[in-house]
Amino acid sequence: SQQGEEDPQALSIQEGENATMNCSYKTSINNLQWYRQNSGRGLVHLILIRSNEREKHSGRLRVTLDTSKKSSSLLITASRAADTASYFCATVPIYNQGGKLIFGQGTELSVKP
Amino acid sequence: GAGVSQSPRYKVAKRGQDVALRCDPISGHVSLFWYQQALGQGPEFLTYFQNEAQLDKSGLPSDRFFAERPEGSVSTLKIQRTQQEDSAVYLCASSLDGTGGTEAFFGQGTRLTVV
Repeated sequence: SQQGEEDPQALSIQEGENATMNCSYKTSINNLQWYRQNSGRGLVHLILIRSNEREKHSGRLRVTLDTSKKSSSLLITASRAADTASYFCATVPIYNQGGKLIFGQGTELSVKP
Repeated sequence: GAGVSQSPRYKVAKRGQDVALRCDPISGHVSLFWYQQALGQGPEFLTYFQNEAQLDKSGLPSDRFFAERPEGSVSTLKIQRTQQEDSAVYLCASSLDGTGGTEAFFGQGTRLTVV
C-alpha cells in the first residue's frame, strides 16, 4: 500500500514559472526522497532529505520537510519544458532496514513552452 | 555497465505462461529491490535483497512470484502462471549499502503485458 499522498495529482504551468508539489506520509521516517519519471522510463533520483533536516537545495530544486506535519514539498524554480515528467516522493520508514522505499501516487507536471 | 540494466524491456505473455525478468544492478551495490508499477500509480515494493540474502519479501502479491539473487549480483524475478492482473512495469533498483540512507538507482523497467 502507498505510504503517502501527493498534491496536486496534475499540474500544468508555463515555462519559466515555479512548480510546487506536496507530499504527505503516515509513519515516522529515516529520510524522504524525490524521484522524477519521464514517460516510459525508469525513475531518476533528485534529492534526499534526512529526518533531521528541514530544507535542502540542489540546483533549481528546493525541498522542505516538516516531520511534525509529516509532509514535504518540492519546488522547481524557473521551470523548463524538459521538466515535464511525473514526480514521486518516497519515504524510508524509520523501522525499515535496507532502504525499502514507500512511494506516493505522484504528481504529473506539464511545462508548456 | 554504468547503470542498472533490466531485460527484457517488454514482455508479452499468454495467461498461464511463466516469465522471468532479469536485473543487473550497479557493480558493488549491496542492496537490490524489485518494485511493481501499475499504470498511473507509484511503484509498489515487492522484495529486497542484501547481497544474496532476501531480507524482505512482504510485497510479493502471491506465491506465484519468486525472486532470487544467488551470487549477490544479478537478480531474477519469476512469475509463474501469469494472470492479467500481473500486467505492470517491473522496476529493479540498487543502492550502495543496506542502511537506507543512500539513493536508489533504478533500471528502465520491464513492461509485462499478460494477454
